[in-house]
Amino acid sequence: GAGVSQTPSNKVTEKGKYVELRCDPISGHTALYWYRQSLGQGPEFLIYFQGTGAADDSGLPNDRFFAVRPEGSVSTLKIQRTERGDSAVYLCASSLWAGGPYNEQFFGPGTRLTVL
Amino acid sequence: RKEVEQDPGPFNVPEGATVAFNCTYSNSASQSFFWYRQDCRKEPKLLMSVYSSGNEDGRFTAQLNRASQYISLLIRDSKLSDSATYLCVREKGGSQGNLIFGKGTKLSVKP
Repeated sequence: GAGVSQTPSNKVTEKGKYVELRCDPISGHTALYWYRQSLGQGPEFLIYFQGTGAADDSGLPNDRFFAVRPEGSVSTLKIQRTERGDSAVYLCASSLWAGGPYNEQFFGPGTRLTVL
Repeated sequence: RKEVEQDPGPFNVPEGATVAFNCTYSNSASQSFFWYRQDCRKEPKLLMSVYSSGNEDGRFTAQLNRASQYISLLIRDSKLSDSATYLCVREKGGSQGNLIFGKGTKLSVKP
């Protein structure tokens, strides 16, 4: 079956611009997660949704970052006034429910964001 | 201590070798632990969950020592296809779904 999909796969933007990154989770998965990964680092948690609501947004680095999941399926990560330090691979994952050792998070291929 | 700490490697081993990775973590409130595998320029994929009693899946064995806040992964009879980065992961205490990843340990299996 279809896995997690993310669009675009690559995004190049200029400093100060606004970007939106989209994630389509696996059908039927109620939990959706956003991470970002810089070169040589492990993924860093940003936010996760259980249904439509953000259950934990403690990883969002500042108020330039915002994410929504209005219908409990597709999610959009929005970054305002992008900075060069925002350059990273943004990973989305989904799972049937959130948490525990039995709820595997399935990751999408990521969006590689480059801020010039 | 960093939240999840791993030796970055690389570990260069011949086919058929046994290799062990270790990982330490800083927060005793974590309830769930995992090993993920990540191939170059690909997304992470779950290799196995880690249970207190230890668990085995084919050539892979994972152990958790809560008292020492230590996790290990043992790979027996290494294959070329095992070459990847292995990420040690804990679930943040009090926030199911918030996974905290180590930087990863790179394994290269040579013929």
